[in-house]
Amino acid sequence: VQVQQWGAGLLKPSETLSLTCAVYGGAFSGYYWSWIRQPPGKGLEWIGEIDHSGSANYNSSLESRVIISADRSKNQFSLRLNSVTAADTAVYYCATYSGTLQYSYWGQGTLVTVSS
Amino acid sequence: DIQMTQSPSTLSASIGDRVTITCRASQSISSWLAWYQQKPGKAPKVLIYKASSLESGVPSRFSGSGSGTEFTLTISSLQPDDFATYYCQQYKTYWTFGQGTRVEIK
Repeated sequence: VQVQQWGAGLLKPSETLSLTCAVYGGAFSGYYWSWIRQPPGKGLEWIGEIDHSGSANYNSSLESRVIISADRSKNQFSLRLNSVTAADTAVYYCATYSGTLQYSYWGQGTLVTVSS
Repeated sequence: DIQMTQSPSTLSASIGDRVTITCRASQSISSWLAWYQQKPGKAPKVLIYKASSLESGVPSRFSGSGSGTEFTLTISSLQPDDFATYYCQQYKTYWTFGQGTRVEIK
């Protein structure tokens, strides 16, 4: 199983962050897909998830600015975070996993820097 | 929202030491707890899921215990490859991570 993620790494304040994650090499029916971020030198913060039915749930601290969507035919899902500020500078990870977390696969991470 | 509190934030230990990290949930999460190891520049890696189940391929010196609100990760004999940062995570209601415990060389 390979998880690859991509997207713009440098943004200006007020722009929209957009990242995509693709999963290769397996069948993931019933799996969940999440985005997680980690500011430089700090801990992990869950951003949100989308489940196998297409229902999305978000961290309450970010939900006014976040949209997670999925294209299951391509085994891809995406993150959009609007109106970014310097506080959104972080390494962003995608992950796909079973409900029990017995199986989980993470992307390599993408550093997104917000700077004028 | 469920809050997760880990302790200690930093732990200094020697090779061969038994190491214990504690995680407390703000409300009962049953056994919906995972432990991760993260090394610099790398994605976190699941060590333990459902509080005490060892992820495939993870050395048996790692073990997890607890349920409800109190959980423990134990490394029975610390090895050079174990110096890293460890996070607990609840997944009863979405995800919340603890603030992390850095295990460093004494």
